[in-house]
Amino acid sequence: DVKVTQSSRYLVKRTGEKVFLECVQDMDHENMFWYRQDPGLGLRLIYFSYDVKMKEKGDIPEGYSVSREKKERFSLILESASTNQTSMYLCASTRLAGGYNEQFFGPGTRLTVL
Amino acid sequence: DQQVKQNSPSLSVQEGRISILNCDYTNSMFDYFLWYKKYPAEGPTFLISISSIKDKNEDGRFTVFLNKSAKHLSLHIVPSQPGDSAVYFCAASAWSDKIIFGKGTRLHILP
Repeated sequence: DVKVTQSSRYLVKRTGEKVFLECVQDMDHENMFWYRQDPGLGLRLIYFSYDVKMKEKGDIPEGYSVSREKKERFSLILESASTNQTSMYLCASTRLAGGYNEQFFGPGTRLTVL
Repeated sequence: DQQVKQNSPSLSVQEGRISILNCDYTNSMFDYFLWYKKYPAEGPTFLISISSIKDKNEDGRFTVFLNKSAKHLSLHIVPSQPGDSAVYFCAASAWSDKIIFGKGTRLHILP
């Protein structure tokens, strides 16, 4: 059974703190993604990675960075958390198989920034 | 510019009836379409997909219809069950590894 895991289900941080969200997949997928989900805004792509040490900006990369040192692990970093980064963060991965990619999602991390 | 649009933020349907969720897209290069279902506090899970060479794909109670000329697809759930209450995301892809998601429709199944 395929699996994408995220390090925390719920996280509370203070404004200005550095925040690390970890994602691990066990499917040997090349592609990994970070989204945030907000009411009325759907899923918005923050960053994605096609391979180890490679990263591409998504639609809303400002205030975030990522790290992909190993194929199975993709980290999202909030350098200095702000209250507008309070959201549900979702990690996903896909096979590298052209365009027909079903994404497998992790359970999400609900981040609250106070 | 929103390439995948779900114009109904929410929908309420009586249990046992048909639920129809709609999705429109603007990019004519999209050739693969997916529906995901999401419960609160969980990640989205893949539900059903359709490629642009088809106009219908069926999987149990779920059927997706694609109208390429209208750039419109719909998800039919029949009969609707209480466990179908969730947020449904329409998504599309154009032979790339990036999938574009709509904003979602919250489906309420009424007893």
